Amino acid sequence: EVQLLESGGGLVQPGGSLRLSCAASGFTFSSYAINWVRQAPGRGLEWISAISGSGGSTYYADSVKGRFTISRDNSRITLHLQMNSLRVEDTAVYYCAKSGLDYPWYMDVWGKGTTVTVSS
Amino acid sequence: SYELTQPPSVSVSPGQTASITCSGDKLGDTYACWYQQKPGQSPVLLIYEDTKRPSGIPERFSGSNSGNTATLTISETQAMDEADYYCQAWDSSTALFGPGTKVTVL
Repeated sequence: EVQLLESGGGLVQPGGSLRLSCAASGFTFSSYAINWVRQAPGRGLEWISAISGSGGSTYYADSVKGRFTISRDNSRITLHLQMNSLRVEDTAVYYCAKSGLDYPWYMDVWGKGTTVTVSS
Repeated sequence: SYELTQPPSVSVSPGQTASITCSGDKLGDTYACWYQQKPGQSPVLLIYEDTKRPSGIPERFSGSNSGNTATLTISETQAMDEADYYCQAWDSSTALFGPGTKVTVL
């Protein structure tokens, strides 16, 4: 069974940092791009970043560009999202979502999400 | 910047057909996909590349995309279809989601 499991969420003060992880199982990890999508409380889905299967290409939404960094370790079948300079508006549930292809495209498998709260 | 628009809500009677639209400039020139999200759950892919259904998705869900509008159609709507529905497309290496449509089965 294809599964994604996010971890690393928590409470952090504005301006702080947090590192999210996404552990994958059930598929050839290096063959698929992975996305991060977040959902603020009571709001819709917002795509924030993606990385190709090899890790050679990365993509970011303007809202997080320069503050967040996506990376992957294909040997450890793990995806990371380093979040710096966090703002109150970054408060959300963060999902990792597998692409159907080697490059970012449709998102066919989603994790259960990890909650990030940015508050003083 | 590119935006996708959806109606905030759609109401449908059980057994009837619901149509949810997603509009964006020249959306028909790219692929659209659709996700369903029920309260407290992660999104589920319903339709990809305009018309394709992943395995396990019922045939009552179908999609189309032409001109500036993509459409998700739910035929023979069931109570279990009550959920939020999001369209999604790519533009300039950026993924965009529509604001979501809440489907209520009355």
